[in-house]
Amino acid sequence: EDKVVQSPLSLVVHEGDTVTLNCSYEVTNFRSLLWYKQEKKAPTFLFMLTSSGIEKKSGRLSSILDKKELFSILNITATQTGDSAIYLCAGGYQKVTFGTGTKLQVIP
Amino acid sequence: EPEVTQTPSHQVTQMGQEVILRCVPISNHLYFYWYRQILGQKVEFLVSFYNNEISEKSEIFDDQFSVERPDGSNFTLKIRSTKLEDSAMYFCASRAQTGVGTEAFFGQGTRLTVV
Repeated sequence: EDKVVQSPLSLVVHEGDTVTLNCSYEVTNFRSLLWYKQEKKAPTFLFMLTSSGIEKKSGRLSSILDKKELFSILNITATQTGDSAIYLCAGGYQKVTFGTGTKLQVIP
Repeated sequence: EPEVTQTPSHQVTQMGQEVILRCVPISNHLYFYWYRQILGQKVEFLVSFYNNEISEKSEIFDDQFSVERPDGSNFTLKIRSTKLEDSAMYFCASRAQTGVGTEAFFGQGTRLTVV
């Protein structure tokens, strides 16, 4: 059975801190690892990772994939209260398996 | 910016009733998906759809569920006889093409409450 495990489950940090969110996966027919941010409703896309070792960046967010260790991390630097959300990791191809998410709360 | 739209945003139905959840994917997209998220739980894959047929489905997607693309723009999920445990947020997603380099875009979801 496909499995995506995220850690930590929940995190509370102060504004300005840097956080690292972890995702490990065991997914058959793996093609890509996806990161989404879920605030109130639908997940919004952050990154798609397909190759090992190549960091993707978008502003204060960055992510990297290790296909040998079946692992990905999402880094957020200089966190802001607007970063508070659940961050979802997902892996697969046509059938995408989601992790349970990491709930990040950034307090002023 | 193109987006996936879902209607209704919230539906309350009695147990045993049929419901149809509607989605309008992004217009040039070819791959369509339904996911659900029970309150407080993770997003779960239900079904993927391409070229007018189901390409993959999960064990959740039993005979009570069906999908259809009736008119080339809408993509619907039908639940034939709803159960209390079908209460969840249902997300539709679409993707331009398969393979590397394309991501799925999600609609805002339909919250289904079965009473």
